Amino acid sequence: NAGVTQTPKFQVLKTGQSMTLQCAQDMNHNSMYWYRQDPGMGLRLIYYSASEGTTDKGEVPNGYNVSRLNKREFSLRLESAAPSQTSVYFCASSRDRDYATQYFGPGTRLLVL
Amino acid sequence: GQQLNQSPQSMFIQEGEDVSMNCTSSSIFNTWLWYKQDPGEGPVLLIALYKAGELTSNGRLTAQFGITRKDSFLNISASIPSDVGIYFCAGRAQETSGSRLTFGEGTQLTVNP
Repeated sequence: NAGVTQTPKFQVLKTGQSMTLQCAQDMNHNSMYWYRQDPGMGLRLIYYSASEGTTDKGEVPNGYNVSRLNKREFSLRLESAAPSQTSVYFCASSRDRDYATQYFGPGTRLLVL
Repeated sequence: GQQLNQSPQSMFIQEGEDVSMNCTSSSIFNTWLWYKQDPGEGPVLLIALYKAGELTSNGRLTAQFGITRKDSFLNISASIPSDVGIYFCAGRAQETSGSRLTFGEGTQLTVNP
């Protein structure tokens, strides 16, 4: 099993450009999450999806949209990138009964110029 | 929202020394987790705690769920160079619905051989 995979690994955007970060998990988990990690700030939840077809806002949702395409895939979209969105983005997933134990992907490093 | 205060922010130790770090919250948590993040990777779960007073070990790592339910501790005994990385505490607050976690800001550990 690959666990949680993310693409791309690294991306450079110009202000105003759009892009979609992809995430997939092969562990049959119902819950999936998107976090951003900034220096000295730990991980902050952007959006999460408790099950296929549902999404909810996290701590810092502004400027982002998400799609739970199916049970395996959860994408994060930046419609109009801003320099403040320069960050490392992590996708994670968890089982129903062990919701607190989240498994993370390797991250996508995004630079917005 | 909930906040977690993790300390220390960084530690520089000699190989073989023991390490202690802690995390405190302003509200009651019903789950505490400790993650490690290696450079360029996503966080990996080390220990999960679900009951107040619980003491759990994973090799040289030991973590405790504080009696007040507002704190947790992680100890690493006889540190080795591969212990280098960022250690994050995370928790699920009692009043939180679903599977949302709050993360601390991390402790950067450096081990000198």
